[in-house]
Amino acid sequence: EVQLVESGGGLVQPGRSLRLSCAASGFTFDDYAMHWVRQAPGKGLEWVSGISWNSGSIAYADSVKGRFTISRDNAKNSLYLQMNSLRAEDMALYYCVKGFSGAITTYYFDYWGQGTLVTVSS
Amino acid sequence: DIQMTQSPSSLSASVGDRVTITCRASQSINSYLNWYQHKPGKAPKLLIYVASSMQGGVPARFSGSGSGTDFTLTISSLQPEDFATYYCQQSYTTPPTFGPGTTVDIK
Repeated sequence: EVQLVESGGGLVQPGRSLRLSCAASGFTFDDYAMHWVRQAPGKGLEWVSGISWNSGSIAYADSVKGRFTISRDNAKNSLYLQMNSLRAEDMALYYCVKGFSGAITTYYFDYWGQGTLVTVSS
Repeated sequence: DIQMTQSPSSLSASVGDRVTITCRASQSINSYLNWYQHKPGKAPKLLIYVASSMQGGVPARFSGSGSGTDFTLTISSLQPEDFATYYCQQSYTTPPTFGPGTTVDIK
């Protein structure tokens, strides 16, 4: 059974940093691209970033480019999102999401975690 | 970025009803359109990919159609477990973008 378990969310002040983690199991992690998708309170879904199976291809939404960094450790079956210079508009539930193939451009997301909540407030 | 719109934004329906949700892209996306079901407190679930291919384990009452800019998700006979929010999402280009969602609730 595929499982994606996010951690690292919490309350953070504007301008500060936070690192999200996602522990994956139940599939061959290093065969698949991985993504982060977020949902702000009362809003819809927004893709944040994606990384290919071998970290060779990475993409970001314009809203986070230059502030967030996605990475993965295939030896640990883990995905990360380093979030710097956090803003109020980054407050959201962040989902770890499995891609359908190893390439990030196959943008269909077949398994999602339960999410980790990031609250940005002073 | 490609903008996705959905209609209606919400609908009320009864068990057994046929439900149709429409999604429109701001430019042609061929058949690169996916549908997700999202229930409160749960992880979103992929239902349909590339417009009409059903994800494994999804009940046959769900179907998708369309190409270019206009797409449809149909639930042939609404079941109690189908009350949820449904999102379309284009996978044609970066960044992938989602529609605003359609909430299906009980009439």
